[in-house]
Amino acid sequence: DIQMTQSPSSISVSLGDRFTITCRASQDIGNYLSWYQQKPEKSPKLMIYRATNLEDGVPSRFSGSRSGSDYSLTINSLESEDTGIYFCLQHKQYPYTFGAGTKLELK
Amino acid sequence: EVKLLESGGGLVQPGGSLRLSCAASGFTFTDFYMSWIRQPPGKAPEWLGVIRNKANGYTTEYNPSVKGRFTISRDNTQNILYLQMNTLRAEDTAIYYCARGGYPSYWGQGTLVTVSS
Repeated sequence: DIQMTQSPSSISVSLGDRFTITCRASQDIGNYLSWYQQKPEKSPKLMIYRATNLEDGVPSRFSGSRSGSDYSLTINSLESEDTGIYFCLQHKQYPYTFGAGTKLELK
Repeated sequence: EVKLLESGGGLVQPGGSLRLSCAASGFTFTDFYMSWIRQPPGKAPEWLGVIRNKANGYTTEYNPSVKGRFTISRDNTQNILYLQMNTLRAEDTAIYYCARGGYPSYWGQGTLVTVSS
C-alpha cells in the first residue's frame, strides 16, 4: 500500500496567517491526490483535487501544490471558518490511502 | 442538488452481519463510481472500496483489510448503493460513509456501526 505521511498533526494559527500542510507519498502518485476538510460531527468536504485543482465553491485562499513526492495544501490569510481537520487522499493506486490528518486550530 | 443518505447502521455483535444502504439523488447514478469509506471515532478515514460506473461494467475494488468480508453492490434502478458486511469485528466500529466518485467528491452524512457484545 502507498503510505501518506502527513504533517504537522496539529497546529494553532492566528487569523490572517499563511499555513501549509504537507503529505509525503511513499511511491509516485502522479498528482492523484485530494485534500479534504472535516468539521466536527460533519463528513469530509473535498477542497482540492488532482493536487492543484480547486473544487467549485472553495475559497481562492486555498491552493494545492507539489514538489517531488511532497504534496501541500496552503491556506493564505486564515479565516475562522478554516478550522477543522484536513486529510489528504492518494487515488493513484488501490487501496486508496489517507493521511493521518492535521488538526488546525485558531491561536 | 447531490444527496447521499446512508442508513442501516447500528449495534451488532461480533461475528454478526449488517447491510448498509446509501440512497443517491441529484445526479445520474449510473454515470458515477461510488465508494465506501469508514472513519473510526477520532481517527483518519479508511477507504473500503469502490464500484465502478456503467461504462466500466460496475466492477469492484476492495481494500485488502475488508476483502472477503465486505461486498459492495448497487441497484441502478433505485439509485441505491449497498455495503454488505459479514463476520464483523470490534475494530469495524466506525462511521461509514458512502461517497460519489472514485476519489470521493461528495460524501454522505454517515451512519454509525458499533460492533460490541
